[in-house]
Amino acid sequence: AQTVTQSQPEMSVQEAETVTLSCTYDTSESDYYLFWYKQPPSRQMILVIRQEAYKQQNATENRFSVNFQKAAKSFSLKISDSQLGDAAMYFCAYRGPQGGSEKLVFGKGTKLTVNP
Amino acid sequence: NAGVTQTPKFRILKIGQSMTLQCTQDMNHNYMYWYRQDPGMGLKLIYYSVGAGITDKGEVPNGYNVSRSTTEDFPLRLELAAPSQTSVYFCASSVRRGSNYGYTFGSGTRLTVV
Repeated sequence: AQTVTQSQPEMSVQEAETVTLSCTYDTSESDYYLFWYKQPPSRQMILVIRQEAYKQQNATENRFSVNFQKAAKSFSLKISDSQLGDAAMYFCAYRGPQGGSEKLVFGKGTKLTVNP
Repeated sequence: NAGVTQTPKFRILKIGQSMTLQCTQDMNHNYMYWYRQDPGMGLKLIYYSVGAGITDKGEVPNGYNVSRSTTEDFPLRLELAAPSQTSVYFCASSVRRGSNYGYTFGSGTRLTVV
């Protein structure tokens, strides 16, 4: 079964600085999808960024970017120019290929604190 | 466009009581899911549906039931509430199988069983 591991239960960053959240996963598939979700205190799950495994180019969404290392099964999230509104739980998630399991498998999350 | 709507937002149940968590989406998504989130944990899949009339178990289905009579609605039923079911419940939907767009989540239901 696929597993997702986030080894950092908590992280902190100074406002305007850069922080990287780690995620590793285990799968025997070659085609799959990876996601980072943000969960602020409001509880809403918000999609931050996504990556298709067949794409070598790392995904970027404004201040958010990923470092996708397929061979190492690593998918880290970099937040640049951190803002107070970035404070939240961040979940890494894996989804298998079309025709396989449909579920998103989540890591346990990393709580990010942004210090002013 | 409301997205995924969950009701209620909060609920306290006594042990042995039953309730239904409602979930409705207006995006014409075929795929719908129920997850639970326990403190300090990620989300775990309870049940999912790939279309009206089709449902399947996820990772933690015991103590729950679902139905999918329409594309829009995917209610989750708790028959005999137990303290172990105290959790935050999320409903989500997806546009198609293998989509790289992830899920659209509802805002969650915080359930406490006492």
